[in-house]
Amino acid sequence: QSVLTQPPSASGTPGQRVTISCSGSSSNIGSNYVYWYQQLPGTAPKLLIYRNNQRPSGVPDRFSGSKSGTSASLAISGLRSEDEADYYCAAWDDSLSGPVVFGGGTKLTVL
Amino acid sequence: EVQLVESGGGLVQPGGSLRLSCAASGFTFSDHYMDWVRQAPGKGLEWVGRTRNKANSYTTEYAASVKGRFTISRDDSKNSLYLQMNSLKTEDTAVYYCARSRGSYPHFDYWGQGTLVTVSS
Repeated sequence: QSVLTQPPSASGTPGQRVTISCSGSSSNIGSNYVYWYQQLPGTAPKLLIYRNNQRPSGVPDRFSGSKSGTSASLAISGLRSEDEADYYCAAWDDSLSGPVVFGGGTKLTVL
Repeated sequence: EVQLVESGGGLVQPGGSLRLSCAASGFTFSDHYMDWVRQAPGKGLEWVGRTRNKANSYTTEYAASVKGRFTISRDDSKNSLYLQMNSLKTEDTAVYYCARSRGSYPHFDYWGQGTLVTVSS
């Protein structure tokens, strides 16, 4: 059971906009930054979003992050086949669950 | 170019020990916090622990699931990170990644390719 809750799966067709949610609590998302990672099949995770909504150099602006209260979202617009991957949210946790907690991951399928 | 290369994985019996290494290059290793993250087969990511840099006294933190059994260390002169794993359990079976951290938060900007540890009799 992950401290941060994500839907196990999501899907969309090419060109669509898809959002993936990440729900937490006051000890993690509610008081700390949220990070998002993309893991393509058979590869190591890659940083996608940091500090809630910042993109590292090289990450397309089709990817965006937001946070409100104890929840966060990752949005992918103009969906492409190469976006098919697992997506994980992460946050610092100030409680005994921490200090670093991940969501269970969301498998995105591009139909 | 930043590179992180893990090694040392393999098959070990329950109760056994294993030491993983992570060789870093392409950046000033001594400046950075370094973390270990693992992923059991077909499962999600789980943070294992971290070592801070010299400026922060090389302090370490661990996930509850490994505390007291795993030890993280580093050798800045060799640009290397280590994970000593003792009293291994079957549930420790996973791919272990080392990751460079940007400060206190789970801001892991570079990851290694991972090394597989299998705990089985």
